[in-house]
Formats: sequence, structure tokens, C-alpha cells
Amino acid sequence: GAVVSQHPSWVICKSGTSVKIECRSLDFQATTMFWYRQFPKQSLMLMATSNEGSKATYEQGVEKDKFLINHASLTLSTLTVTSAHPEDSSFYICSARRDRGMGQPQHFGDGTRLSIL
Amino acid sequence: GENVEQHPSTLSVQEGDSAVIKCTYSDSASNYFPWYKQELGKRPQLIIDIRSNVGEKKDQRIAVTLNKTAKHFSLHITETQPEDSAVYFCAASDSWGKLQFGAGTQVVVTP
Repeated sequence: GAVVSQHPSWVICKSGTSVKIECRSLDFQATTMFWYRQFPKQSLMLMATSNEGSKATYEQGVEKDKFLINHASLTLSTLTVTSAHPEDSSFYICSARRDRGMGQPQHFGDGTRLSIL
Repeated sequence: GENVEQHPSTLSVQEGDSAVIKCTYSDSASNYFPWYKQELGKRPQLIIDIRSNVGEKKDQRIAVTLNKTAKHFSLHITETQPEDSAVYFCAASDSWGKLQFGAGTQVVVTP
């Protein structure tokens, strides 16, 4: 159990385009989903926490108008990178957690490699 | 906020030997410590986790130890195999349930 699906796996697009990434929990309901960004040979950097039915909480330095997050249901969260530029190129990974609070494992999606030309 | 430090950054071991990765954390309120394995271009996979009410946990060749007083925790891999080669991340859960990751350790197991 605890399967998280992320789509698309790879996106190449022109500068100025908006890109939507979907994160789905396939066999459980996720009260909380997280969005991370990972640069090559670096660790995972948390961008925002997404709770179903409420506004996402963004980490310091992450522009909420640039990275729009919607958590419309207990199985789906989306990240939209608006007006993407080359510096937004990165590996974006979502994770989902079944229950709230501490001590709960996060299960990761396969990630989306975003390349902006 | 929570700060997690991880060492070493790279670790090369002979097949069959043991590998140890160490992490320290700063927030004494943290009570959940997972370890993830990430192969190149793939998702991080949870390999073992430990909660603060436990000092040690073992799963076959993998074990994790936690010292709450010293605020450090370690991953031990015994009888390493080539398929253990990957990047390993430790993490600590802060009071909001968010994970703070260490910088990662590149483990290379040579036959």
C-alpha cells in the first residue's frame, strides 16, 4: 500500500509557459501532501505543505504566486509553475502522508523533471 | 526550525562490509526519524524509520539507532551488496510534521 503517482514524469517547454504537475495517492486518502524541489546532487528542499480543503503553507523564500498549489480532494494535489523560466528547471517531487501530525511516514511520487528552454 | 546534518557525504565500501551513516538534529521536539534511499533519477524510498520512544530498530541488513540525549541517529547497513549503492537521506520530523532532510550520503559498494 501507500502508492503515490505523479504526472507528468518529464516536461520540456518554452520560457513563459505554465506547467501543471499532478500528485495522486492511489490507495489511501492523504490528508497532507508535500511538494519538494531537488537540484542535481542536492537534498530535497520543501517548497510547501498542502492540506486538503485549505490553503497551502509555503516555505520561506518560495513565491506562492509563482508556484500555485491546489489540494482539491483527499487523493489529488496539483502544483502549477506559472510563467516558468530556465531557473525553474529542476526535479519536483511530491509526497503524501496518510494521517496528520508527527510520526507519520511520507510516501513519494516518481518526480517530475522540468526543463525550461 | 529543525536543522539536520549528515555525514559522510560520500562513502565507498567493499561488498560484504558494513556502512554507517550518521545524522544529528537540533530540535529536541522532533520525534520521528525516517531514512530514505534514492537511486539516480528516481523517487526517495523509505527504507526504515524510528520514533523517539525507541532506541534501536532493525530490519534484516538495515538498522537504525537513536540517541535522544545527544540528538543523533545512525543508519547501519551490514553485508553490503552492489544494489545498496545509492544516495541515502536521513530526515527529522519537526513539530508540524514536516521533514527536514540531511544533505545526503552517496554510498558506493564495490564488488
